[in-house]
Amino acid sequence: GAVVSQHPSWVICKSGTSVKIECRSLDFQATTMFWYRQFPKQSLMLMATSNEGSKATYEQGVEKDKFLINHASLTLSTLTVTSAHPEDSSFYICSANRVGNTGELFFGEGSRLTVL
Amino acid sequence: AQSVTQPDIHITVSEGASLELRCNYSYGATPYLFWYVQSPGQGLQLLLKYFSGDTLVQGIKGFEAEFKRSQSSFNLRKPSVHWSDAAEYFCAARNTGTASKLTFGTGTRLQVTL
Repeated sequence: GAVVSQHPSWVICKSGTSVKIECRSLDFQATTMFWYRQFPKQSLMLMATSNEGSKATYEQGVEKDKFLINHASLTLSTLTVTSAHPEDSSFYICSANRVGNTGELFFGEGSRLTVL
Repeated sequence: AQSVTQPDIHITVSEGASLELRCNYSYGATPYLFWYVQSPGQGLQLLLKYFSGDTLVQGIKGFEAEFKRSQSSFNLRKPSVHWSDAAEYFCAARNTGTASKLTFGTGTRLQVTL
């Protein structure tokens, strides 16, 4: 149990377009989801904390108007990279905190974005 | 500020040799502690976790980790490394609480020579 699925797993887009990445908890409900970004050969950096039914909390330095996060239900959070540019190319990973569980987070497989 | 430190960026060991990857944390109270492994181009796989209790934690793939409160450390060990263990290893920590974020160390890249 506790499976988190991300879609798409990889995407290539042209500069200036917007890309949406979905994060779904398949067999549990998640009040809180987290979005991370990982550049090549670097660690995971938290971008934002997403709470169901409320606005996301962004980490310092992350542009909220560029990285739109929506957490409309207890099983789905989306990250939209608006007007993507080559510097947004990265590996984006979501994780979910299962309702009633405050310990382990469950991670999606990640989504690789390449902006041409 | 809360932080997780992995002092070793890159470690090379021979297959069959023992391994220890270091991790130190800086938190007000003892956090939940985790070790993850990531192969190139892949997502994260949880190796083991420590919440409380026995300070020696057993994980998957023959890995174990020891929590030492006095040293604020949570080092990962394996008695005999296999070539397939070559990957990036991340130590991570989070406070209790549903919305508490998970903070990662910078990672240690393990190379295994045959």
